[in-house]
Amino acid sequence: GQQLNQSPQSMFIQEGEDVSMNCTSSSIFNTWLWYKQDPGEGPVLLIALYKAGELTSNGRLTAQFGITRKDSFLNISASIPSDVGIYFCAGQPHGAGGTSYGKLTFGQGTILTVHP
Amino acid sequence: KAGVTQTPRYLIKTRGQQVTLSCSPISGHRSVSWYQQTPGQGLQFLFEYFSETQRNKGNFPGRFSGRQFSNSRSEMNVSTLELGDSALYLCASSLPWDLQETQYFGPGTRLLVL
Repeated sequence: GQQLNQSPQSMFIQEGEDVSMNCTSSSIFNTWLWYKQDPGEGPVLLIALYKAGELTSNGRLTAQFGITRKDSFLNISASIPSDVGIYFCAGQPHGAGGTSYGKLTFGQGTILTVHP
Repeated sequence: KAGVTQTPRYLIKTRGQQVTLSCSPISGHRSVSWYQQTPGQGLQFLFEYFSETQRNKGNFPGRFSGRQFSNSRSEMNVSTLELGDSALYLCASSLPWDLQETQYFGPGTRLLVL
């Protein structure tokens, strides 16, 4: 089962507001990834984080890789209607070996609704 | 550069049948991972292939299997379908240079088992 705790589970905001969501884990991760998924489609990569403490921006999106390697957050500034969707955090487990190859662990997702 | 492609996009099967899903990775990507997504369980890792070898496997029964071809294209097969196998099956590809694998997903195959 999933090991990441993602919060909040859902958000209802007004257009123009800022959004913040985060993920925490009991395990250390090598990589943190943030994806957005629209209904019936596959997740689309938003931001990738590779180093503890790393802060990365992609347009109105900003994400950080926690210092402890056990958490990450995603901020969306000045939300617009097309930001609607489900946002997932995902972590690549720490350590070498077969149990890490190709396996991302996902959070439960944050459903974002933006009212015009 | 073209993204990950998956075929078919939609599939309806009945219990007991088997199904094969196909995935073509991004050009140059040699690692392919498969995930099952359901409303109840979320995204769960099925298995990963690199250089035609399965390197990692999730906690799914043996009815779920896969393979990878020399051109990195991958297929997954589910035999003796059960109602609970209804899900969105996602394929993701990445460059396997090290363990910091950034995965790019395809649009998925929506499987409905009746």
